[in-house]
Amino acid sequence: DGGITQSPKYLFRKEGQNVTLSCEQNLNHDAMYWYRQDPGQGLRLIYYSQIVNDFQKGDIAEGYSVSREKKESFPLTVTSAQKNPTAFYLCASSEGLAGTYEQYFGPGTRLTVT
Amino acid sequence: DQQVKQNSPSLSVQEGRISILNCDYTNSMFDYFLWYKKYPAEGPTFLISISSIKDKNEDGRFTVFLNKSAKHLSLHIVPSQPGDSAVYFCAASVGPGTYKYIFGTGTRLKVLA
Repeated sequence: DGGITQSPKYLFRKEGQNVTLSCEQNLNHDAMYWYRQDPGQGLRLIYYSQIVNDFQKGDIAEGYSVSREKKESFPLTVTSAQKNPTAFYLCASSEGLAGTYEQYFGPGTRLTVT
Repeated sequence: DQQVKQNSPSLSVQEGRISILNCDYTNSMFDYFLWYKKYPAEGPTFLISISSIKDKNEDGRFTVFLNKSAKHLSLHIVPSQPGDSAVYFCAASVGPGTYKYIFGTGTRLKVLA
């Protein structure tokens, strides 16, 4: 059963701590993405990766870091430098240049920082 | 600067009637548009897409219309069902080779039984 998994579903952290959100896909997709959703706002792109060992900043990359060491994995680290880290984080993947444009999303991780 | 706008934050429709969700964009370079449906605490799911070479695309109860001159697209759901109640996002991208999608702020649809 192919899809995207994000863990955990809910995450709580103290201010000043880094936290890493997991994203795994078994769709054999080349491209992966991280978005953030805040109440009343659309999805805003944090980082994206077109291929293994390559990634690009999105519109709101400050305070975040990513890695793409494996095709199926694209973890996101929310660092202490991110001023408003509490949000709903969504990971997505797409076939990339070789296929269709549609992005497939994971179930999301709700991060709360206090 | 919001390049993709969904000006109606919410919409209520009676079951069986038509739901029309609207989306406007400002960047004339956008040439591929997608609609996603999202339930609370879940990731969005892809609904339907349209390329700028078309003005209509249909998939079952869902039809997307694109008016390039007005930079406007709309999603029609006919007939609306209670299970359609969700937040709908439109998204736009610029042609092949790009990976950036710009999402609208979403419209919450409520279908009343």
